[in-house]
This record gives sequence, C-alpha cells and structure tokens, in this order.
Amino acid sequence: DTEVTQTPKHLVMGMTNKKSLKCEQHMGHRAMYWYKQKAKKPPELMFVYSYEKLSINESVPSRFSPECPNSSLLNLHLHALQPEDSALYLCASSQVGGLGTEAFFGQGTRLTVV
Amino acid sequence: AQSVTQPDIHITVSEGASLELRCNYSYGATPYLFWYVQSPGQGLQLLLKYFSGDTLVQGIKGFEAEFKRSQSSFNLRKPSVHWSDAAEYFCAVAASGGSYIPTFGRGTSLIVHP
Repeated sequence: DTEVTQTPKHLVMGMTNKKSLKCEQHMGHRAMYWYKQKAKKPPELMFVYSYEKLSINESVPSRFSPECPNSSLLNLHLHALQPEDSALYLCASSQVGGLGTEAFFGQGTRLTVV
Repeated sequence: AQSVTQPDIHITVSEGASLELRCNYSYGATPYLFWYVQSPGQGLQLLLKYFSGDTLVQGIKGFEAEFKRSQSSFNLRKPSVHWSDAAEYFCAVAASGGSYIPTFGRGTSLIVHP
C-alpha cells in the first residue's frame, strides 16, 4: 500500500470557522509533511514531522496548527483563516533520511476560505 | 542549500512526438532526484527517482530520465507523448543538507496537441 489518504477532498470555510484536515498513511513512514500549493505554483513546505515530533515549521502563521497523534496520522487544524489561505493542501510521507526517501503524496484538500 | 531549476514554464508537443523536460539542480554532492506529475486539482504522483547507480532510470507511464553529473541535470524524456500526458511536471531534489526534504522546481506545464 503506497497510499496517502487525505480528507476531506474539498473544504469551504468562513474566516471565523475552525476546521481540521486529516492525513493517513500505513507505509511505516516516520516523516510526514504538510505542503501548501497555490495555482500554477510548486508545493511550498509548511511543516515536517519526524518520528511524531515537529522538526520543521517554515514560519507558518499560528492560524495553522499541525498535530501528529501517532505515526500514521497527521492533522492540520485551521482557525481564523484568511481568503489568501485558499489553496490545495498536500500531505506527504517518506522514510526518514537515506535511501528510500521519496515522498508519497495524497490527493490534497482543496480549501476555499470565504 | 539545495535548489532545482526548471527552465521551461510551458512545453507544447504534438501527440506522438518525443518529449524532453529539463531540470538542473544545485548541490555540492549528488542529491536524490525525482520527477513528479500532477494533473489539475490532484496530488503529485512519483514518476521516477534517482538515488545512485545507473544514470538512466526508468519510470512509470513510459518515462525515463538521465542523470548527468557533469551538467547537474536530470532531464525527463518520453519517446512518444499521449494526450493523457498533459499535466504539470515537477522536478524535485532531496539531500542530506536539507534533511532529505523534497524541494521542488517551479514546474513545467505540458500541453499536448492532437
């Protein structure tokens, strides 16, 4: 199973809402990532978890709050977002370091902030 | 720091024609190199990867790529393009200096004419 599953596929939320994006993988990967992708742009790294600990936060605003409850799950909690946060949010996973570090991506959550 | 350059924003080919998408990387040593494909509104699918060894790597969907250390390049090729190959293509690099976290080029949009 080389699948990364993201839910929901689409999300529309108001600027005062609280919502969460979910990501799951069962490949035994111990590195998990959140990327943000705007239209016609490459994915931009937001957060990296390594062995369930936050290892990289690319200066992401605090209205985005990641959580890694266990080695298979990654969440992104959203609160008080702005319209410019509308984007495709991609989750990925990989092994940690060395050979086999190719990242596997989910299908993404298309987020629209109104 | 690692970086990757995709010099072509758009490439247009006729169906059945051959294809080459360019990718150049910048890193002190040989990094791990990847090509991903993304259809509109979808996640990223790994086409192929290079870690070491044979410099010509075969991937899925009939794609191949050649690693050339002297040119710091990892160009993607396909001998005969199908209309379904129309998509966005991203070259990515991962290296120890960047904790093996994938860094993406800006992408090349492939347009296929019938």
